[in-house]
Amino acid sequence: GAVVSQHPSWVICKSGTSVKIECRSLDFQATTMFWYRQFPKQSLMLMATSNEGSKATYEQGVEKDKFLINHASLTLSTLTVTSAHPEDSSFYICSARDLDLNYNEQFFGPGTRLTVL
Amino acid sequence: GDSVTQMEGPVTLSEEAFLTINCTYTATGYPSLFWYVQYPGEGLQLLLKATKADDKGSNKGFEATYRKETTSFHLEKGSVQVSDSAVYFCALSDQGAQKLVFGQGTRLTINP
Repeated sequence: GAVVSQHPSWVICKSGTSVKIECRSLDFQATTMFWYRQFPKQSLMLMATSNEGSKATYEQGVEKDKFLINHASLTLSTLTVTSAHPEDSSFYICSARDLDLNYNEQFFGPGTRLTVL
Repeated sequence: GDSVTQMEGPVTLSEEAFLTINCTYTATGYPSLFWYVQYPGEGLQLLLKATKADDKGSNKGFEATYRKETTSFHLEKGSVQVSDSAVYFCALSDQGAQKLVFGQGTRLTINP
């Protein structure tokens, strides 16, 4: 149980285009989803926290107009990188939490590798 | 703010060696502590956790004890295998905000 999927697993796009990444909880309802960014050989940095049906809370230094997050249902959150540039190339990882399953535990997706040319 | 500091890698060991990866933390309040593992090409998986002082988390032969007095949560395994090669992340979760704060990760390679 507690499986989280991400789609796509990798994407290559041209500079200036927008890319949407989906995060789905497959067998539980995710009241909260988190989006992280991981640079090569570095740790995960939390970008934002999203609760179903409300606006995402962004971490300091993360541009909310650049990284649009939508959590429209209890099983789906999307991250859209708008007007992507090469410096946005990174590994994006989502996680999900279900208050009914375990208040303290996050379940992670496999990640999406974004390359902006 | 809260932070996690991990032993710098990479760490290379021979099969059946003893493993320790150090982790210390700084937090206000009483966080929960976690070890996550990331195998090549995969997402993070929870390896073990401890939610209060003196708790010991264990899984797959790995152990870590929540030491409040030394603010540490060191990961240990008595006899590592090649299949343990991965990146290991120590993390804490503040009870209030419920956000995970990760250490920088330690890459472990086990040679046969």
